[in-house]
Amino acid sequence: GNSVTQMEGPVTLSEEAFLTINCTYTATGYPSLFWYVQYPGEGLQLLLKATKADDKGSNKGFEATYRKETTSFHLEKGSVQVSDSAVYFCALKPKGGSYIPTFGRGTSLIVHP
Amino acid sequence: NAGVTQTPKFQVLKTGQSMTLQCAQDMNHNSMYWYRQDPGMGLRLIYYSASEGTTDKGEVPNGYNVSRLNKREFSLRLESAAPSQTSVYFCATPDQRAGNTIYFGEGSWLTVV
Repeated sequence: GNSVTQMEGPVTLSEEAFLTINCTYTATGYPSLFWYVQYPGEGLQLLLKATKADDKGSNKGFEATYRKETTSFHLEKGSVQVSDSAVYFCALKPKGGSYIPTFGRGTSLIVHP
Repeated sequence: NAGVTQTPKFQVLKTGQSMTLQCAQDMNHNSMYWYRQDPGMGLRLIYYSASEGTTDKGEVPNGYNVSRLNKREFSLRLESAAPSQTSVYFCATPDQRAGNTIYFGEGSWLTVV
């Protein structure tokens, strides 16, 4: 079956530090890949996505590259801000077949001033 | 989270009581989902509806029922609440025309005492 594995948190960083949150997946074929962000007290919202191998998704200074060879979609940001503190979820959507997405367990990011 | 509206936002129930969580979307999407979110467990799919008039079990359906009343509305019912159902519940709907980005409601915080 499909699965998504994220690094466990919390990840604690100082403002302006470099961020990496690892995400690897298992799926048949080539799924679409997503990062969602959940700010405190809110629902999840799309941060970025990539639909095919070698695509790079980017938004708000965050980036992730769809790596078919390593089945990974790691989230990166060069300089985090306190306002980036949130929970980040990696997810995949299989192409064809089931339309039900699979989510990782989420990684909490805490950024200190 | 424009487009997906959940009610109520907060609810406290006594064990054995029943209640219904309401969800409505105004994006004319076919599919709708109900998830629960628990610490360390990420998002788990309770039930989903591929289209008006159809519903299917997800990963954790026990203790819940759903109704897809029409294309807009998808309700989740707890017939006899248990403390294990204390959780945050999210309604969501995918945009299958635009890369399957999922839109979430703001969540319903349910406590069963």
